[in-house]
This record gives sequence, C-alpha cells and structure tokens, in this order.
Amino acid sequence: AQSVTQPDIHITVSEGASLELRCNYSYGATPYLFWYVQSPGQGLQLLLKYFSGDTLVQGIKGFEAEFKRSQSSFNLRKPSVHWSDAAEYFCAVDPQGGSEKLVFGKGTKLTVNP
Amino acid sequence: EAGVTQFPSHSVIEKGQTVTLRCDPISGHDNLYWYRRVMGKEIKFLLHFVKESKQDESGMPNNRFLAERTGGTYSTLKVQPAELEDSGVYFCASTGVAGVAFFGQGTRLTVV
Repeated sequence: AQSVTQPDIHITVSEGASLELRCNYSYGATPYLFWYVQSPGQGLQLLLKYFSGDTLVQGIKGFEAEFKRSQSSFNLRKPSVHWSDAAEYFCAVDPQGGSEKLVFGKGTKLTVNP
Repeated sequence: EAGVTQFPSHSVIEKGQTVTLRCDPISGHDNLYWYRRVMGKEIKFLLHFVKESKQDESGMPNNRFLAERTGGTYSTLKVQPAELEDSGVYFCASTGVAGVAFFGQGTRLTVV
C-alpha cells in the first residue's frame, strides 16, 4: 500500500549532537515532499519542502533534508541540536505533486537532553 | 499576515452531543483542508475546499461529520452526534498559489 514511513517513533539526543530523522515513501512518481514540526502547544510549522531540482534542501532553524530517489527517502538532518528543537516531526508527501492533499507519516518525537 | 486560526483550541463534550469546530484560513487562500490525528495514529486528510466548493471529501469518516465553507472564507466542521472514536486533534490548513500548506494550531476534541 502507498504510505509514508517514519520508522522511529521516539528519538533522544543530547544537546549539541547531530540529528537525522528518517522518512521513506512508497509512491511511484516523485511526489512533493515536506517536513513539518509541531512544538508543544503549537500548530504544524513547515520546516522545508522539496518539489524538484537540487536534492539537498535547506529549511528553517538550521534543518536540511536530502531527497534520494533510489531509496525513496527524504531524511531530515541537523548538525547540532538545540534544546528548543524538542518537538514532534512529521514527514508529509503530496503524492500527485501539486494536488496539495498531504499524506503524513506517524511522526517522530524528539527529546533533547541537556 | 495572520496565520490559520482555529477555534476552540480544546473541546470536551459528552458522547451524543454536537460540536462545531471553526477554521479561519489565511486571507486570500482559496484552498482549505481539514485533517485529523487520532491518538497514536498519523495525521489523516478529511476534506478539501476550493473556495466554497467541496473538491474532495474522500477522507470524511461518516455522515456524522459535516463541513461547510459559506462564502469561501472561514470553514466549520460539525460532528453530530459525537462518538468516543471522534476524539483527536483536528487540523485545518490553507494553501495559496505556492502549493504549501499552512496549518493552524489544531483543535483537541475529547469525547467522554
């Protein structure tokens, strides 16, 4: 079945450590790809998006993500995590690339230890 | 520019009662979406408005859910009568021409 998979439900890292959150999708064509973050008590905020072109995309708050077509992946990375990055992260896919109807992964909750 | 606003932020109702959720999209955004996250599950699409018309309501769970967008501005999502399994967080999003969805803070609905 077509889906978006975030294999890690919960990740804990120390402040200052690097971070990689995984996302895989199972749609045939190249969809539009997004990462959203939900901080406690807040709504979903867009971190970055990929539509086409350069496969390494930069987002807000120092995040980046790399689209790898061969692996159907769109992993989110940050070289040095800050305590304020503690939140839940969602990978989302627009399977038809422009339909704007998003399919989400189950989310990865990030805990940051001091 | 104001973002997507949802009201109320929390609602606790008894089974069988009616609840109406409201979403005010970003001004000028023709496309409005409702999503829902049931506890422990992924965020799932409910429906899509283009202006005042329902473009896609394939995600609506059943006929106890009624969404409207009169005048193509704000939208309401009514649940009548509410059941326990309707508990979750309901998100609204709107998109402009860039195709990027901006989300509200969500309404946490608890049916007891």
